Amino acid sequence: GAVVSQHPSRVICKSGTSVKIECRSLDFQATTMFWYRQFPKQSLMLMATSNEGSKATYEQGVEKDKFLINHASLTLSTLTVTSAHPEDSSFYICSAGTVGNTIYFGEGSWLTVV
Amino acid sequence: DAKTTQPPSMDCAEGRAANLPCNHSTISGNEYVYWYRQIHSQGPQYIIHGLKNNETNEMASLIITEDRKSSTLILPHATLRDTAVYYCIVRVDPGGTSYGKLTFGQGTILTVHP
Repeated sequence: GAVVSQHPSRVICKSGTSVKIECRSLDFQATTMFWYRQFPKQSLMLMATSNEGSKATYEQGVEKDKFLINHASLTLSTLTVTSAHPEDSSFYICSAGTVGNTIYFGEGSWLTVV
Repeated sequence: DAKTTQPPSMDCAEGRAANLPCNHSTISGNEYVYWYRQIHSQGPQYIIHGLKNNETNEMASLIITEDRKSSTLILPHATLRDTAVYYCIVRVDPGGTSYGKLTFGQGTILTVHP
């Protein structure tokens, strides 16, 4: 299957700072990328959907000013958690796909806010 | 998107077939059935998908009932490495404004034992 890569795989940041997570489609051009968050022992929760070159569409209850998503190219999307707090600590997962095709997931990024 | 119902957990002996059921009684004509699995602390892995015909690939087989209200994922010879959470997801055929997003339920925890 297609390869989607996330970086960093683990990050620790101080409360009040911002942290950026990158998601890259390595062997295909992704017209659409999705960002999920997963808390321990829970399922994945969709945060937002982004299409290349346009603004992200956020799911209900997700703060767009806190979770900034940029999809500047067909192979790169970034999620920036601004003014992070301990309750933002979670497993963040991106996925990528093209219209009409299968969606593939990255390895996930563990964020710990201390 | 149509909702799916899966048993919370299942056991399977190594080397035997694992049959994971999924109920999607409200599925629409343009919705596909997708299966992903998530091994602990990793991003979901694509397994297989189908619309109405049975499908088989190197990982698994997907059997969809004629009325499309339920399906079964079959891992023909389960190994210990198949222990994971298996998600059955109904996905709208992407296009237009739908983006074909994947909404995860709680899934089935499959435990393969020696």
